[in-house]
Amino acid sequence: GAGVSQSPSNKVTEKGKDVELRCDPISGHTALYWYRQSLGQGLEFLIYFQGNSAPDKSGLPSDRFSAERTGGSVSTLTIQRTQQEDSAVYLCASSLRDRGGYTFGSGTRLTVV
Amino acid sequence: AQSVTQLGSHVSVSEGALVLLRCNYSSSVPPYLFWYVQYPNQGLQLLLKYTTGATLVKGINGFEAEFKKSETSFHLTKPSAHMSDAAEYFCAVSEGAQKLVFGQGTRLTINP
Repeated sequence: GAGVSQSPSNKVTEKGKDVELRCDPISGHTALYWYRQSLGQGLEFLIYFQGNSAPDKSGLPSDRFSAERTGGSVSTLTIQRTQQEDSAVYLCASSLRDRGGYTFGSGTRLTVV
Repeated sequence: AQSVTQLGSHVSVSEGALVLLRCNYSSSVPPYLFWYVQYPNQGLQLLLKYTTGATLVKGINGFEAEFKKSETSFHLTKPSAHMSDAAEYFCAVSEGAQKLVFGQGTRLTINP
């Protein structure tokens, strides 16, 4: 597609439930990133995929968070046993291999009640 | 590790006035520097970037930024603010790997 697509745009879930957030990057972009944006916390790096290399998971806040990228394209971020502090906007971005900057999706707003 | 500090979480200017959003970075290698803008309920949009070469970088919507190595700064400016510039602005740095490190953001308000 023309841009980075994220779904759902909004998700409300009960504490303790698992959620899956989806990201469709720009076709041909080899790098894909997940960030979390919380009020007053800025943009927090979560995970980075580049081609077939092992992902950089250094930003995942706990083992309840995981992500995969299938076929070098679509990515899913999974949060297990959600907690209220997981409430945030989850942003996905993709880029070509160079360091020219990312293209961001519109994000998924997750609310844990 | 690299880091970014944006001075001022909120900046307010009058329409037509100069916009100046401050960004200082820390990096152990020559950095790549970026400014992004985020409008309400939207993702981030790239305004401009510095990689190598000319230190004064021009971006979209009349914004520009100057890389000053001696001051480790990359401040964003626009000569004349417009109401449509009201948004949140993020400075970011990358070194080596492509991962970007963002500042905390500056919310820009434009007064009529």
